[in-house]
Amino acid sequence: DIVLTQSPDSLAVSLGGRATINCKSSQSVLHSSKTKDSLNWFQQKAGQPPKLLIYSASTRESGVPDRFSGSGSGTDFTLTIDSLQAEDVAVYYCHQYDNTPPTFGQGTKVEIK
Amino acid sequence: EVQLVESGGGLVKPGGSLRLSCAASGFTFSETWMSWVRQGSGKGLEWIGRIKRKVDGELTDYAAPVRGRFTISRDDSENRLYLQMNSLKIEDTAVYFCVTGLGKGDLDFWGQGTLVTVSS
Repeated sequence: DIVLTQSPDSLAVSLGGRATINCKSSQSVLHSSKTKDSLNWFQQKAGQPPKLLIYSASTRESGVPDRFSGSGSGTDFTLTIDSLQAEDVAVYYCHQYDNTPPTFGQGTKVEIK
Repeated sequence: EVQLVESGGGLVKPGGSLRLSCAASGFTFSETWMSWVRQGSGKGLEWIGRIKRKVDGELTDYAAPVRGRFTISRDDSENRLYLQMNSLKIEDTAVYFCVTGLGKGDLDFWGQGTLVTVSS
């Protein structure tokens, strides 16, 4: 199974600050087509299901504010939240679907400092 | 509007069985792979299995912890997904989410989840 390791496990950022979450994969999740990475980012707020933020490593889902961005390829990925807002408090998960079973990172909890 | 609504959760004793259901709407159910993902209290996300489309043979895949105990099925005429859970263990206690892939991966859209508690 592909293991996704997120860092840090939690971080506290001031309102308006930047949050950076890393996700490292135990093997490449670059699709066989070599055109995209099979890596998504989800946001999960308390008591809610996960919500897709970023797909194919760097494409923002429709309706997601542009302060959220994804980058990386192969085995190393980053989710960046610029100008953190109070409503961004949540747990963020990376997820790969290149191999079966699909797997998730352990989650990163983002709080307001 | 895409909707996934799970039902059937509840309290069950270890060794017991439970069947979860997921009602889908707002998309062409028969054309999508469907999955179940669970989340223990305060814990991370765990994919437990999926079922492919009829044209793909309705093939199923399962995570190792549930293989042989859980069975996923679908009824395309009713737009419903099912999860039959047998020989339940305490560690199966979790919120179970019905999830579909709508072109941005296998797990784009999630239902609200249904809680399964396995306890004596």
